[in-house]
Amino acid sequence: SSELTQDPAVSVALGQTVRITCQGDSLRSYYATWYQQKPGQAPVLVIYGKNNRPSGIPDRFSGSSSGNTASLTITGAQAEDEADYYCNSRDSSGNHWVFGGGTKLTVL
Amino acid sequence: QVQLQESGPGLVKPSETLSLTCTVSGGSISSSSYYWGWIRQPPGKGLEWIGNIYYSESTYYNPSLKSRVTISVDTSKNQFSLKLSSVTAADTAVFYCARLWSPGGYDAFDIWGQGTMVTVSS
Repeated sequence: SSELTQDPAVSVALGQTVRITCQGDSLRSYYATWYQQKPGQAPVLVIYGKNNRPSGIPDRFSGSSSGNTASLTITGAQAEDEADYYCNSRDSSGNHWVFGGGTKLTVL
Repeated sequence: QVQLQESGPGLVKPSETLSLTCTVSGGSISSSSYYWGWIRQPPGKGLEWIGNIYYSESTYYNPSLKSRVTISVDTSKNQFSLKLSSVTAADTAVFYCARLWSPGGYDAFDIWGQGTMVTVSS
């Protein structure tokens, strides 16, 4: 399968914890990578591999995976976390890459 | 630090070929742990992977675009390029070039260009 499925929109109260999920058959074989995109800006890598954050990404961002579902968790969401989040992985062939449809996160 | 910059026409006529170049600065395009990729985003929509290239010129294309896409690399100029043929209005998008870090065990598009808007219109 070459699809990654995300919920279109999720909301969280300021300071609370939110989980954004990504489903796909290929996630049983490959890690999901997560990107944050704010309006008018290029995507920014936030989580890669098993649960790794690039330098400069706050530790409130974490990643996990179980079966065909990968999750991005924001513990103590801040106003600046309001953005679109995309998951990305290889497809089951391993020779193509695919993005999820994206999740719009609103911080209330 | 490594930076990527897209360049090319912002307006392309229907049925013509879209051509973009990504210039890599601050690092070598021939580094062994990296692929170089193109991703696009139609207005108001999500990201779509177009394809990747390795400095050895191995290429990987989105099956849905494969018949129209060519990605090439020029190591002497530290650049890689995208050609998308027979464009229609549906190809209107922001096009990003990005570095795909692939050290083994996982991949990540870790560095992105700022993106360039390409409109297909007569």
